[in-house]
Amino acid sequence: EDQVTQSPEALRLQEGESSSLNCSYTVSGLRGLFWYRQDPGKGPEFLFTLYSAGEEKEKERLKATLTKKESFLHITAPKPEDSATYLCAVQARSNTGKLIFGQGTTLQVKP
Amino acid sequence: GAVVSQHPSRVICKSGTSVKIECRSLDFQATTMFWYRQFPKQSLMLMATSNEGSKATYEQGVEKDKFLINHASLTLSTLTVTSAHPEDSSFYICSASGNLGDTQYFGPGTRLTVL
Repeated sequence: EDQVTQSPEALRLQEGESSSLNCSYTVSGLRGLFWYRQDPGKGPEFLFTLYSAGEEKEKERLKATLTKKESFLHITAPKPEDSATYLCAVQARSNTGKLIFGQGTTLQVKP
Repeated sequence: GAVVSQHPSRVICKSGTSVKIECRSLDFQATTMFWYRQFPKQSLMLMATSNEGSKATYEQGVEKDKFLINHASLTLSTLTVTSAHPEDSSFYICSASGNLGDTQYFGPGTRLTVL
């Protein structure tokens, strides 16, 4: 069964304190792994797509990496505006575009 | 690019009435649209997948006669919650993917409250 597990559930950081969020997955043939950011009361905002192990993508203070079993979202020198829930999802080759989501990591960055 | 809109953003209705939610891809053609619901502090739960011009495919446990989905064009999908009850109160979010690749782009969501 395709499954995604994110850890930790919640993370509190001081502004400038770098850290990483983990997304572990099992899937019958990975088509893509996706990272989204969700603010309260809003829809998820697309961040990254990763397709193969070893791939890395960066955007401002965020960097996503992928191995055969997990993905990390590294946050460098976070700011309060980075506070949000970060969702990881996988798409299997066998599915018609369906995403399997993890439960998310809620990040709070304090000034 | 890749903007998805939803309308309305909030709706309050009485028990027993029907509510229609629209999802539009504004700057790309969405061959596939997805409908999710999200409960407080929980992740997204896929309700159904729809392809333009075809019947929607519903996830296990989702009543297709209660949640009617129409994907009439490459830019518009609608979700109608029929005979809504308080337990249908939730945050409904659509997403779309298409000629921009496999990535799903999400709408801002619709908060439904059934009294």
